[in-house]
Amino acid sequence: GIQVEQSPPDLILQEGANSTLRCNFSDSVNNLQWFHQNPWGQLINLFYIPSGTKQNGRLSATTVATERYSLLYISSSQTTDSGVYFCAALTTSGTYKYIFGTGTRLKVLA
Amino acid sequence: GAGVSQSPRYKVAKRGQDVALRCDPISGHVSLFWYQQALGQGPEFLTYFQNEAQLDKSGLPSDRFFAERPEGSVSTLKIQRTQQEDSAVYLCASSLQGQPQHFGDGTRLSIL
Repeated sequence: GIQVEQSPPDLILQEGANSTLRCNFSDSVNNLQWFHQNPWGQLINLFYIPSGTKQNGRLSATTVATERYSLLYISSSQTTDSGVYFCAALTTSGTYKYIFGTGTRLKVLA
Repeated sequence: GAGVSQSPRYKVAKRGQDVALRCDPISGHVSLFWYQQALGQGPEFLTYFQNEAQLDKSGLPSDRFFAERPEGSVSTLKIQRTQQEDSAVYLCASSLQGQPQHFGDGTRLSIL
């Protein structure tokens, strides 16, 4: 089945810094979502992005489906950005199934 | 309610007991997913419903796990004869067809 890998696994930033998180997937996907899991365990939708670029405030995402990767950009990071960021790929295998990556654990220091 | 609701939020059971976890999806969402998230890991797919039809149950770890959505709305995940390795957070998500998933807050299951 499809493999979804994220990098880096861990990231520590000073408040105000920018960062790029990467999601690689091993096969074609129908769609891709980015999530933020906050310290209370809630999974929050960030982007639903099968291709192209989207922006939402300080966050933006780009998916290049033909090269099988997606990037999440965080600019001017804040302590509230801390948590785990997951990407999830919707497979094309004939079923409607999302495969999650292993996540990037981000800690933003004040 | 406005979001996906899961109950109970926490469940403690003794090894060998049966448990039932409930998911109330967002009204009108035809797609419903269950995931299992172990500590420090990403969510792992368990099963998918479209309305009342269970279209994919390939992620259920054993025949002790059973999910249903009889009327195409509320779903229940049942685990029989629980074992310690079943301890995890169980997440439910719903969506309109082809649209983003929205997650509930999960049920944290601890098996003693």
